[in-house]
Amino acid sequence: GAGVSQSPSNKVTEKGKDVELRCDPISGHTALYWYRQSLGQGLEFLIYFQGNSAPDKSGLPSDRFSAERTGGSVSTLTIQRTQQEDSAVYLCASSFWGRNTGELFFGEGSRLTVL
Amino acid sequence: KQEVTQIPAALSVPEGENLVLNCSFTDSAIYNLQWFRQDPGKGLTSLLLIQSSQREQTSGRLNASLDKSSGRSTLYIAASQPGDSATYLCAVSIETSGSRLTFGEGTQLTVNP
Repeated sequence: GAGVSQSPSNKVTEKGKDVELRCDPISGHTALYWYRQSLGQGLEFLIYFQGNSAPDKSGLPSDRFSAERTGGSVSTLTIQRTQQEDSAVYLCASSFWGRNTGELFFGEGSRLTVL
Repeated sequence: KQEVTQIPAALSVPEGENLVLNCSFTDSAIYNLQWFRQDPGKGLTSLLLIQSSQREQTSGRLNASLDKSSGRSTLYIAASQPGDSATYLCAVSIETSGSRLTFGEGTQLTVNP
């Protein structure tokens, strides 16, 4: 696709429910990243994929958070038993290992509200 | 632990002014530095990427410089326009994979017509 696509753009859920957030990276980009942006706070790294493997998942805040990537393309971030502190904008980014190595391109984000 | 600081936190200028946004980082062993723009309720738009071996990058009215040894970068915006109003974020990477970008808190820029 032309850019990084994320869905849903907005999600309102009740505390304790599970949610899935989807990211479709730019075609051909080998690396995929998830970040979280909470109100009044900076961007927080969650997890990084190179292909289908996740060499760095150290930013996941708890074992309620998990992510996978299939076919070297689409990624899903799953939050189980959501808590109010999970409310944030979840941003996905992708990059291509090439001439401009490391340049990240972000999606519009998925805004999660946990009631 | 890498820390990134952006000064000022907010800036308001009249249209047409040239301005400088500042970014500093504590660990000079960076791989690259990237400047982004974020409009309210939107994702991040990449503006400029500077590899650690480079000193500056230019794109249109934007010029970003990098001084690794002093842990500083500046983003220069020439002839500012109201459409430049947004939050500008600086981020650094310390790994060859480009992962774990560490972001500053951003500078919120308002350009008044």
